[in-house]
Amino acid sequence: KAGVTQTPRYLIKTRGQQVTLSCSPISGHRSVSWYQQTPGQGLQFLFEYFSETQRNKGNFPGRFSGRQFSNSRSEMNVSTLELGDSALYLCASRRGTPGHYTDTQYFGPGTRLTVL
Amino acid sequence: GESVGLHLPTLSVQEGDNSIINCAYSNSASDYFIWYKQESGKGPQFIIDIRSNMDKRQGQRVTVLLNKTVKHLSLQIAATQPGDSAVYFCAEGFSGGYNKLIFGAGTRLAVHP
Repeated sequence: KAGVTQTPRYLIKTRGQQVTLSCSPISGHRSVSWYQQTPGQGLQFLFEYFSETQRNKGNFPGRFSGRQFSNSRSEMNVSTLELGDSALYLCASRRGTPGHYTDTQYFGPGTRLTVL
Repeated sequence: GESVGLHLPTLSVQEGDNSIINCAYSNSASDYFIWYKQESGKGPQFIIDIRSNMDKRQGQRVTVLLNKTVKHLSLQIAATQPGDSAVYFCAEGFSGGYNKLIFGAGTRLAVHP
């Protein structure tokens, strides 16, 4: 079974631009979460989507947004990029079986975003 | 590969020795805890998890211990191998928070031959 895939793997943008990152979950997984990883702040939760609905959100500004499609694929968007947005953006998927909130999360390899 | 964290605490062990990686968590309401391993250039890889109503769980070569009294979690790796070299993260999860995980800062494990 294929794992979580993320595209692109590397991205370079300049301040003020916007960026869209894509995540394809493991087949059959309905929940997708996004995390930001930086050396200074570590791994921080951005948001979670399930059945095309955002179910949980971390403490990030509104410039960070996301969506999920009917096939469970997800995208996240960052508008008006700042230097501090440079990070590894990780996507994680899980089955999302109702009542089984401890389904294991499986992470993708991440998208390395560099903002110049 | 990319560096996960430039100033993480590092645990250095000899190949074949047992490793113990510790983690302190903050929220007594956490329902479950997970250990992840992250190698350079890769996403975190699930190792083992434990529910808050347990105090010990064993996997293949790994054991997780949970002490809720002092809010402490540890990961024990038996017979550490060079392939175990990576950054290890503990994460706490909340049933009311759906899929949200709160990650610790991470510990770098360096295995020397």
